[in-house]
Amino acid sequence: SAVISQKPSRDICQRGTSLTIQCQVDSQVTMMFWYRQQPGQSLTLIATANQGSEATYESGFVIDKFPISRPNLTFSTLTVSNMSPEDSSIYLCSVGLVGNIQYFGAGTRLSVL
Amino acid sequence: QQQVKQSPQSLIVQKGGISIINCAYENTAFDYFPWYQQFPGKGPALLIAIRPDVSEKKEGRFTISFNKSAKQFSLHIMDSQPGDSATYFCAASPPGGYQKVTFGTGTKLQVIP
Repeated sequence: SAVISQKPSRDICQRGTSLTIQCQVDSQVTMMFWYRQQPGQSLTLIATANQGSEATYESGFVIDKFPISRPNLTFSTLTVSNMSPEDSSIYLCSVGLVGNIQYFGAGTRLSVL
Repeated sequence: QQQVKQSPQSLIVQKGGISIINCAYENTAFDYFPWYQQFPGKGPALLIAIRPDVSEKKEGRFTISFNKSAKQFSLHIMDSQPGDSATYFCAASPPGGYQKVTFGTGTKLQVIP
């Protein structure tokens, strides 16, 4: 298993600003994933972050809007750039272990005014 | 082909009853089928998972039934308790070490006393 710490747990931001979300894992992992979850909805994958390479983005998500860093095997950040109210959501990081098992952080609840 | 269809969207069960959530998939390459449990304000937590070499897996009060020919799998919660009230997501992924997981749309379960 893996223990994931995600910061901040929640934030209220102004339109046009950016927020960086941090994800720390208690062990070295190869793959990390970033998801978005609208309240009451399912999880939508934003991108996959493999240490040492550029993140791979899903359709509808672009690097300019959601830049991701993965500087080492225990840490990743997701930035939500130039925010609008439509970006209000829950952002979740997860780690992928062998066998496609994923463990999730508690999420960051973002409100954009 | 990557979809996982989940039903029902919501479910109300009496305490002590059986909760049943169903999922169907299209991609025959999927070979890992986890269920996640999510409480309000928390990230999804891996509950139980199955691979297609078995038709059933039981862990405590939770059982996954798997029908490979019908491309369907279900979660049964026996003796449902109010503490089981949460949102449940089925998921599926193809073989390989660190593949993307496709999530179902979620089922909000409420267990009433």
